[in-house]
Amino acid sequence: ETGVTQSPTHLIKTRGQQVTLRCSSQSGHNTVSWYQQALGQGPQFIFQYYREEENGRGNFPPRFSGLQFPNYSSELNVNALELDDSALYLCASSLAQRGVFGETQYFGPGTRLLVL
Amino acid sequence: GEDVEQSLFLSVREGDSSVINCTYTDSSSTYLYWYKQEPGAGLQLLTYIFSNMDMKQDQRLTVLLNKKDKHLSLRIADTQTGDSAIYFCAESPNTDKLIFGTGTRLQVFP
Repeated sequence: ETGVTQSPTHLIKTRGQQVTLRCSSQSGHNTVSWYQQALGQGPQFIFQYYREEENGRGNFPPRFSGLQFPNYSSELNVNALELDDSALYLCASSLAQRGVFGETQYFGPGTRLLVL
Repeated sequence: GEDVEQSLFLSVREGDSSVINCTYTDSSSTYLYWYKQEPGAGLQLLTYIFSNMDMKQDQRLTVLLNKKDKHLSLRIADTQTGDSAIYFCAESPNTDKLIFGTGTRLQVFP
């Protein structure tokens, strides 16, 4: 158990809808990263949040957006869902100290999204 | 570019050693990681190695790093059926993200 929690565990949406996924970071961690894992693939980095701001972004379109709250929890929002958005969405928390990153990331159990 | 490669499958007999291999591309990675994923679950951190180390041992796990060849391996001694899972290696070329391989599915048979 890493202490990173995600909700919901499973979700079914239809094409064109919007979805919000939630993540609570491990106690003491201040950085949250989101990853998309398509079936049979390794996780792909979406973006990272630190101090409520986006700290880095992977090759994902703007309809993928996020938020981080003062308690370091985070949301991933996806607008205009497409069939290819069906995947396991993983969040990971880590600790950045004095603005220095690169610490080990601990993952939650993920949210499995199915887009029909 | 950023690319991490792993073989897709490995099958071993219970009690034997398993060796999972990985090659990565970015020599600036400070840490290299091994994660384990069981069916329907998230990623569990198994171990990691700092880039200035050649080897790290942690109970049944041994990580070897050849920085010149950008090659990383994970050896699991006395492999058990509970070790059956997908194993991902990951590099951290930037401080904000991990780059994962496609994973190696380890199957342990009695």
